[in-house]
Amino acid sequence: KAGVTQTPRYLIKTRGQQVTLSCSPISGHRSVSWYQQTPGQGLQFLFEYFSETQRNKGNFPGRFSGRQFSNSRSEMNVSTLELGDSALYLCASSPSGETQYFGPGTRLLVL
Amino acid sequence: QQQVKQSPQSLIVQKGGISIINCAYENTAFDYFPWYQQFPGKGPALLIAIRPDVSEKKEGRFTISFNKSAKQFSLHIMDSQPGDSATYFCAASGFGNEKLTFGTGTRLTIIP
Repeated sequence: KAGVTQTPRYLIKTRGQQVTLSCSPISGHRSVSWYQQTPGQGLQFLFEYFSETQRNKGNFPGRFSGRQFSNSRSEMNVSTLELGDSALYLCASSPSGETQYFGPGTRLLVL
Repeated sequence: QQQVKQSPQSLIVQKGGISIINCAYENTAFDYFPWYQQFPGKGPALLIAIRPDVSEKKEGRFTISFNKSAKQFSLHIMDSQPGDSATYFCAASGFGNEKLTFGTGTRLTIIP
């Protein structure tokens, strides 16, 4: 089976812009979670979607949002980008339980 | 509030030695404890995972030891190899909750 794919892999934006990141889960996986990874804060949970519904949400401001489509593909959006949003954004998919498989991530740089 | 504490932050081990990374958790609702390995420029890869109903789980050279009463668990890498050099993260999640709470990571370097 193909692994989790994320696009784009790298992205450069300026403050105030918005960005949309995409994630395609492993075939058959219905749960998609998003994490932010930074050197200072480590790996932090953003949100999780299952069957197009958000099931869990982390402690991030409302500028961070996501959605899941009927084919389980997911997107996350960050509006009004800030310098501190520079990070590696990781998507993980799971069949339905806890075992999560991560994609390679999208590295976002905000200038 | 950091709910999973990981140590050490960095670790240097000679080839063939045993690498040991420790984690402690606070939330007694956690019931799933995976370890992830991450190489530079890559996403975390699931290495091995354990549930509280067993005290030890072994897969190849990797072993998780779990102490429920102390709320601690550790990863042992036997016969450590240079290819094991990576950052290792412990994590925890609760029943029916997909949210993983991660430790801060351990940068492991295996020297010849």
